[in-house]
Amino acid sequence: DQQVKQNSPSLSVQEGRISILNCDYTNSMFDYFLWYKKYPAEGPTFLISISSIKDKNEDGRFTVFLNKSAKHLSLHIVPSQPGDSAVYFCAASSNYGGATNKLIFGTGTLLAVQP
Amino acid sequence: ETGVTQTPRHLVMGMTNKKSLKCEQHLGHNAMYWYKQSAKKPLELMFVYSLEERVENNSVPSRFSPECPNSSHLFLHLHTLQPEDSALYLCASSQESGSIDEQFFGPGTRLTVL
Repeated sequence: DQQVKQNSPSLSVQEGRISILNCDYTNSMFDYFLWYKKYPAEGPTFLISISSIKDKNEDGRFTVFLNKSAKHLSLHIVPSQPGDSAVYFCAASSNYGGATNKLIFGTGTLLAVQP
Repeated sequence: ETGVTQTPRHLVMGMTNKKSLKCEQHLGHNAMYWYKQSAKKPLELMFVYSLEERVENNSVPSRFSPECPNSSHLFLHLHTLQPEDSALYLCASSQESGSIDEQFFGPGTRLTVL
């Protein structure tokens, strides 16, 4: 059973508009969430993260929102640019008292930003 | 070289072959990971090494054998694989600090088993 779910396999957005990528999780022990971006033929690269003690984290055009009661997080990209076209992975983790962190990934959402 | 590198980038092998995937990190990290990404599935964690010791083995079949000779290098030895093992194999590294740390990924090896 998947603990981290990205129910939208793809999303298409016009350049300049907002992209909203969604992620749901089932494990209430998760206390840290990350978004990774992946271009074809490259490995995933870290984009932005949020701790469970916060409900919002912003970095430039990227904002992640966390709703703990709904076990839901979302990544907002505004304004969207063609270079944002990539697969976006949501990942979750819990801090097992300092043990090597274990990330649980979703299946990814392919974002296409149309010029 | 910078970041995390993986070789080869593409590999085609028969079910009776023995091959190895190599990963090298140039970031001074002390933890390394192998992930498998199959089509339409999440990245699956296979192995974790911390300070060259294996700390996690996620019920991976014995036909996959990891090796971590030092904190910069990680290998995945493959033998008698099955066609369903065809996937993208990603290596990652991180610096353990007692809290959740960002993992840095290599570009992956695209493996096809015939």
